[in-house]
Amino acid sequence: GESVGLHLPTLSVQEGDNSIINCAYSNSASDYFIWYKQESGKGPQFIIDIRSNMDKRQGQRVTVLLNKTVKHLSLQIAATQPGDSAVYFCAYRGGATNKLIFGTGTLLAVQP
Amino acid sequence: SQTIHQWPATLVQPVGSPLSLECTVEGTSNPNLYWYRQAAGRGLQLLFYSVGIGQISSEVPQNLSASRPQDRQFILSSKKLLLSDSGFYLCAWRGRQNTGELFFGEGSRLTVL
Repeated sequence: GESVGLHLPTLSVQEGDNSIINCAYSNSASDYFIWYKQESGKGPQFIIDIRSNMDKRQGQRVTVLLNKTVKHLSLQIAATQPGDSAVYFCAYRGGATNKLIFGTGTLLAVQP
Repeated sequence: SQTIHQWPATLVQPVGSPLSLECTVEGTSNPNLYWYRQAAGRGLQLLFYSVGIGQISSEVPQNLSASRPQDRQFILSSKKLLLSDSGFYLCAWRGRQNTGELFFGEGSRLTVL
């Protein structure tokens, strides 16, 4: 079946360093990808999205990279701060169903 | 601006008891509505989605049901809870213009004992 998986379930970084969270997806027909941030006990919050006609998109301190050839998505966070500590989910819109399919998440732990 | 509300935020229920979680959206019309479940340390599993009043699609066979009695109201129910129903339940909406992004509520944590 379709799936979105993450290479690393937990990522620990030092405050001020850059973080890279990776995601692999299986549906080559997907045209839309999103990264969400979920803090403990809260609902996921939208961070950034990218469409399949792009390979890079930048936001405030975040960059999403899409490599359709290898079906890989990454989220880069510059100058990681303690407030960035959370679980990060990638998701993609799967084919004709138009529903979002979520990965299992990566826990980002920022060490002071 | 659009907002989404879920309640109750926390619920502890005995096995075999009924369940009703409510979700309402404000500031938008005719949204697509979704119920997700998140087990501890896991990803989000889509349970139900609705494209309109009375229209419910179920993603997985389970002990739960959903209803949409009004345009901006989505209810998750069970007649008899199981231990395996414990989890964090998230309601979400997406606009008709279908940008793809889902907006999530704050979640309802259900513990079945």
